[in-house]
Amino acid sequence: AQKVTQAQTEISVVEKEDVTLDCVYETRDTTYYLFWYKQPPSGELVFLIRRNSFDEQNEISGRYSWNFQKSTSSFNFTITASQVVDSAVYFCALSEAQDYGQNFVFGPGTRLSVLP
Amino acid sequence: DAEITQSPRHKITETGRQVTLACHQTWNHNNMFWYRQDLGHGLRLIHYSYGVQDTNKGEVSDGYSVSRSNTEDLPLTLESAASSQTSVYFCASSEGQHSGNTIYFGEGSWLTVV
Repeated sequence: AQKVTQAQTEISVVEKEDVTLDCVYETRDTTYYLFWYKQPPSGELVFLIRRNSFDEQNEISGRYSWNFQKSTSSFNFTITASQVVDSAVYFCALSEAQDYGQNFVFGPGTRLSVLP
Repeated sequence: DAEITQSPRHKITETGRQVTLACHQTWNHNNMFWYRQDLGHGLRLIHYSYGVQDTNKGEVSDGYSVSRSNTEDLPLTLESAASSQTSVYFCASSEGQHSGNTIYFGEGSWLTVV
């Protein structure tokens, strides 16, 4: 069965610090997709990134970067020079191929607090 | 712009009442999902649908039902609301049967059962 673990329940950093959010997944499939979502204090869930299992290149988008390593089944998310607006709960998710439909599993989330 | 909307956004109801949360998406997505979010439990899948007339139970389906009569809507019904169903409910949708499709969420519905 697929599973997503985010071992860090809560993280606090001071503004401008770099912070890495860990995500470890379990799957028996060779084809799968990994996602990160952000949930700011206002409550909505915002899609950040999608990565397929065949693309291990790291991705960078502004201050955000993602490190995908199949060898350790990890898909970690780093925020560089954190800002107060980065304060949110971040969810990692895994989607496996199915004969019918889509099976999406979320991790428990990591609450990031960026202090001024 | 296409979107996914939920209503009501906030509701207080009494134990035992039937409650329906609406979800409407304009992306023409085949897949629709209902999740609940509770402290300590993250996001848990209640029901999902892969197309019109298709509905399936998720991890925490007891006490809930859904129906899919068209592509755009997946209303969630609490047959007899219980205090344990006080939660934030998120509707979501994705395009098709490919596992790489991104799931997009509505804004959430805050339900309090008193």
